[in-house]
Amino acid sequence: EADIYQTPRYLVIGTGKKITLECSQTMGHDKMYWYQQDPGMELHLIHYSYGVNSTEKGDLSSESTVSRIRTEHFPLTLESARPSHTSQYLCASSEDSWGEGYTFGSGTRLTVV
Amino acid sequence: GENVEQHPSTLSVQEGDSAVIKCTYSDSASNYFPWYKQELGKRPQLIIDIRSNVGEKKDQRIAVTLNKTAKHFSLHITETQPEDSAVYFCALSLSGYSTLTFGKGTMLLVSP
Repeated sequence: EADIYQTPRYLVIGTGKKITLECSQTMGHDKMYWYQQDPGMELHLIHYSYGVNSTEKGDLSSESTVSRIRTEHFPLTLESARPSHTSQYLCASSEDSWGEGYTFGSGTRLTVV
Repeated sequence: GENVEQHPSTLSVQEGDSAVIKCTYSDSASNYFPWYKQELGKRPQLIIDIRSNVGEKKDQRIAVTLNKTAKHFSLHITETQPEDSAVYFCALSLSGYSTLTFGKGTMLLVSP
């Protein structure tokens, strides 16, 4: 079934560790996004990509980085995790220039201790 | 980016009542307005959307209205049911852009 997949679902790591959150979609969408969802529910755009080799920073400043080497894969990396990075990270994809058809993954809940 | 104000932040209704959530924006270049529902522990899912050339759209018990002049759009849920309990997000994108800016969310609780 065409969908967008995130792994892991839950992750607890120590301060200073390097981590990569995986996001893959099988819908053939060109556009992909990373949102950070804080405990107060609000969704903040941290990175997006319009296609292979295209990456942009979002509205919320983030110490993470992303890459887009393949259309279906959009991983997010934290070089040195800190407790302030504790949050839920949601990946999404869309095929339309107006954001129609935004499909979200199930999210990764990250806790940095 | 564009700001979206969403009200109320929480809404409690009795089963069978109607619920209305309103969002306001400032940039007249905004032209796509989707609504997402996020149940506890699950991913946000698109439930209805509207484009700037349409004033109202309805899908069974849910409807969205758009007032471009006043720059606000609203989600209407009629005959609410306990399974409507969730967090609802409004969002918008600007013409020529695919990124969505989300409101802060409304927690809707429907009591039996």
